[in-house]
Amino acid sequence: QSALTQPPSVSGSPGQSVTISCTGTSSNVGSYNRVSWYQQPPGTAPKLIIYEVINRPSGVPGRFSGSKSGNTASLTISGLQAEDEADYYCSSYTTSSTWVFGGGTKLTVL
Amino acid sequence: VKLVESGGGLVKPGGSLRLSCAASEFTFSDYYMSWIRQAPGKGLEWVSYISGGGSTMFYADSVRGRFTISRDNAKNSLYLQMNSLRADDTAVYYCARDNWGGSGILADSWGQGTLVTVSS
Repeated sequence: QSALTQPPSVSGSPGQSVTISCTGTSSNVGSYNRVSWYQQPPGTAPKLIIYEVINRPSGVPGRFSGSKSGNTASLTISGLQAEDEADYYCSSYTTSSTWVFGGGTKLTVL
Repeated sequence: VKLVESGGGLVKPGGSLRLSCAASEFTFSDYYMSWIRQAPGKGLEWVSYISGGGSTMFYADSVRGRFTISRDNAKNSLYLQMNSLRADDTAVYYCARDNWGGSGILADSWGQGTLVTVSS
């Protein structure tokens, strides 16, 4: 049950776009569209922001979008805002009927 | 959706602890539920999930054989019995609702978490 691979940190200026990658294997990301992304500001519980690769829950701004190609999923945040500064995690279902998270990415808004 | 965890605290290595999660504002028995943990300053780790009826459970390798997930649908409650606790089990434990209405979503709603500290 190895974790999915995410970059430890990314940064961008307000108004810019950033993309966070989430690399797995054919045993998880590559096999299912059960990939989600979560946002966790400091000191708070995580919040679901993308599910089933591309879908946004009600209330999540359209600036957040998801995609997948092969074994790698991606989260793109367009029009960065200061409030987007947080840790971001991906998750995927696996062929072992378990779930696995990425190691997390710290987003800094410059 | 409201999820409220309880039962965390300080326990010695080798000890046991039982976490509870009180669910409300949704039909509890219709949903799979998960426990997810986060060690201090670290990332998220999925721990276990249980089906709506309680007949299907899966565990992470790191806790299999030591932790047991269960639920009481009459009480709208989820539990995690943790035995043979180790220092590396120290974490905030989150209760989360899963959603299998479509393709499958891990943790569409989260509780606020309860801290478990394993230390002598």
